[in-house]
Amino acid sequence: TQLLEQSPQFLSIQEGENLTVYCNSSSVFSSLQWYRQEPGEGPVLLVTVVTGGEVKKLKRLTFQFGDARKDSSLHITAAQPGDTGLYLCGGSQGNLIFGKGTKLSVKP
Amino acid sequence: EAGVAQSPRYKIIEKRQSVAFWCNPISGHATLYWYQQILGQGPKLLIQFQNNGVVDDSQLPKDRFSAERLKGVDSTLKIQPAKLEDSAVYLCASSLMAGSMNTEAFFGQGTRLTVV
Repeated sequence: TQLLEQSPQFLSIQEGENLTVYCNSSSVFSSLQWYRQEPGEGPVLLVTVVTGGEVKKLKRLTFQFGDARKDSSLHITAAQPGDTGLYLCGGSQGNLIFGKGTKLSVKP
Repeated sequence: EAGVAQSPRYKIIEKRQSVAFWCNPISGHATLYWYQQILGQGPKLLIQFQNNGVVDDSQLPKDRFSAERLKGVDSTLKIQPAKLEDSAVYLCASSLMAGSMNTEAFFGQGTRLTVV
């Protein structure tokens, strides 16, 4: 059974702080994706990582794919209130499954 | 480019009633997904279509849920009869093709179902 575990489940921080969100699995995925979801909306793709050990940067966000392609992390530098949302890790093995998400709240 | 369209946006029904949700994916997208999202949690995959064939329905409660994708385009998801625990947001998503390396899924805004 495919399973993606995300941690932490909730994160409340002050503006300007750094944070890291983790996504782990016992399964190997052909790719991992990170999505961000705001209330009342569907998730929106942030990045896709495909190669083991891959690191991708998107402005203040840094994404890493584990060497064994079983885990990934999302690091946000100098968080801003606009980063508030539900961050979802999605794994693909021909389908697309998600972890339970990390609810991030960044307070001004 | 038009996004994934879903209707209705909101639905309130009594338990044991039936309900249907509709999804129109992005034109040309072969893969269509239906997810159930309980408040505050990640989306749970219910069923995945590739064109009009079912790829994965392992998490679909088949005693009460059914889905079809006519002609490989629009899709409907039905619940009959509904239970209180079915209260959730039902998200539809589509992608060009599942299983390829960089397949982005595009989501609709979802249908919020409340069963009372």
